[in-house]
Amino acid sequence: DSGVTQTPKHLITATGQRVTLRCSPRSGDLSVYWYQQSLDQGLQFLIQYYNGEERAKGNILERFSAQQFPDLHSELNLSSLELGDSALYFCASSATTGGYRDTQYFGPGTRLTVL
Amino acid sequence: AQKITQTQPGMFVQEKEAVTLDCTYDTSDQSYGLFWYKQPSSGEMIFLIYQGSYDEQNATEGRYSLNFQKARKSANLVISASQLGDSAMYFCAMREESYNTDKLIFGTGTRLQVFP
Repeated sequence: DSGVTQTPKHLITATGQRVTLRCSPRSGDLSVYWYQQSLDQGLQFLIQYYNGEERAKGNILERFSAQQFPDLHSELNLSSLELGDSALYFCASSATTGGYRDTQYFGPGTRLTVL
Repeated sequence: AQKITQTQPGMFVQEKEAVTLDCTYDTSDQSYGLFWYKQPSSGEMIFLIYQGSYDEQNATEGRYSLNFQKARKSANLVISASQLGDSAMYFCAMREESYNTDKLIFGTGTRLQVFP
């Protein structure tokens, strides 16, 4: 158990809908990352928050948004869902944002299926 | 541009044998970290081992060790005494030191199957 929790574990919804994925980082970790794993794109970085502030953006669609709250949990909002958004969404956390030694620990993931 | 290459889509190994999973990387940075993660069929990503670019010794964590060859830009994972529970996808990832992002770049993974 990495200490990172994600809810829900599975989510099935229809095209055009909006969903929210939730993540709680490991105790004491200030950085939260969101990744998407799909068959065609592999594992792709979406966005990073550090202590409540957005730090970096990757291949995140405009239909997607995220935030990190004062208690450090994070939510990823996906709207106007398309079939191609079906994927496994991971949250990861790390202690700091300091350099290449910082290990990211992943949550169990949320499997999103868009029908 | 930074890139991770895992050229083995699948590997087979007999229980109790050792296996090496290949990973090569491309970066122009001097400071970087290399990570291996395991993804069982249940889906979670489990951190296995880390190697820093300035580390002189190869990293080891229990049955996992990393064969780090900096000049060749390779960071191969060695699993000794394979167990049936080692059957999973294995991902190599890299993180560069950057003030703009701390993201991990992942390879495409290697599926390891351990047979009795």
